Amino acid sequence: GDQVEQSPSALSLHEGTGSALRCNFTTTMRAVQWFRKNSRGSLINLFYLASGTKENGRLKSAFDSKERYSTLHIRDAQLEDSGTYFCAAEYGSSGNKLIFGIGTLLSVKP
Amino acid sequence: GPKVLQIPSHQIIDMGQMVTLNCDPVSNHLYFYWYKQILGQQMEFLVNFYNGKVMEKSKLFKDQFSVERPDGSYFTLKIQPTALEDSAVYFCASSLGLGGEQYFGPGTRLTVL
Repeated sequence: GDQVEQSPSALSLHEGTGSALRCNFTTTMRAVQWFRKNSRGSLINLFYLASGTKENGRLKSAFDSKERYSTLHIRDAQLEDSGTYFCAAEYGSSGNKLIFGIGTLLSVKP
Repeated sequence: GPKVLQIPSHQIIDMGQMVTLNCDPVSNHLYFYWYKQILGQQMEFLVNFYNGKVMEKSKLFKDQFSVERPDGSYFTLKIQPTALEDSAVYFCASSLGLGGEQYFGPGTRLTVL
């Protein structure tokens, strides 16, 4: 079936460093959203991309529908960036539905 | 950012009973969604809804499930009767257009005993 493969499943960073999360798609997706789950379990919207790249502060995301992947780059990681990050691909025939990745648990350490 | 509210945050019921989960979507949004997340698993799409009708539903959206938004009030997910496997966190979402950013509520944790 249609799948979103997210990696890594867990990531540990020291404050001030950076890394990237990646989602690969097994089929062409229309768009991608990136979320962070906060301490209360709510999904915080980070990015919505139908193509290209977007940047917001220390976060930058890219989406290539043809190559079937999206990335989320975090630079200068801070303690408050810790949490679970999800990508979700937009897919659907009669309406848009999101197919979620399994999530990446990010731990930022001093 | 835009807020989606869900009531209640937790619900515990006995198997076979009916339950209604309530969602207050973003005020000017037109498209509404329910997703289900079983503990330890990925969040999965259940159904989307527009202009009083279901547009698309997944295989998880069993015959015991129904959705409605009477008179522009809460967008509801009703399960009747409930089964043990319905225990999960149910997330509501809304979007302004077809294709576009979805905003999620905090979820309702449903426990069926």
